Amino acid sequence: DGGITQSPKYLFRKEGQNVTLSCEQNLNHDAMYWYRQDPGQGLRLIYYSQIVNDFQKGDIAEGYSVSREKKESFPLTVTSAQKNPTAFYLCASSIQRSGYTFGSGTRLTVV
Amino acid sequence: LAKTTQPISMDSYEGQEVNITCSHNNIATNDYITWYQQFPSQGPRFIIQGYKTKVTNEVASLFIPADRKSSTLSLPRVSLSDTAVYYCLVGDGSNYQLIWGAGTKLIIKP
Repeated sequence: DGGITQSPKYLFRKEGQNVTLSCEQNLNHDAMYWYRQDPGQGLRLIYYSQIVNDFQKGDIAEGYSVSREKKESFPLTVTSAQKNPTAFYLCASSIQRSGYTFGSGTRLTVV
Repeated sequence: LAKTTQPISMDSYEGQEVNITCSHNNIATNDYITWYQQFPSQGPRFIIQGYKTKVTNEVASLFIPADRKSSTLSLPRVSLSDTAVYYCLVGDGSNYQLIWGAGTKLIIKP
């Protein structure tokens, strides 16, 4: 079945540590996105990518980095510069006007 | 970017029809209206999309008046499993920075 796979489902980060969240899709979608969701809130865009080797900052890019070396993959690194990283992270992909397909999310907790 | 306004929460009972209305006064000519459903600790799931009048699929209907400044998601004969947060978004598909509000938390009671 086609879809988006995010891993890990749960991730714990120590203070000052960088962590990378994985996102893989086999839908052949050109566009991919990373969102952050805090409790009781809507989704906020971190980064998006329309094509391979290109990506754009969203509303809350500070403290995050991404890469898009392959169409299928769009990993997100949460760096030590992100002071409040505890949140639910969602990866999505789309083709124009088709709507988004989301992964099942990664819950990141700072310990 | 068009912003949407939805009720924060709604309650209903199993077997009832539920209508959730979304206001989008600044919708642009090229914008579509899309609804998503999200369960706790899961990613949102696409429900339905429309441009004008009425759209129906196997899970919902979407009603859009002529002025397109609002839309109504209709869920027929809801069950307990329809308890979720429902989001209304507007955009033309080429704008990658859609604004997600807090959505409508729908609680279905037995």
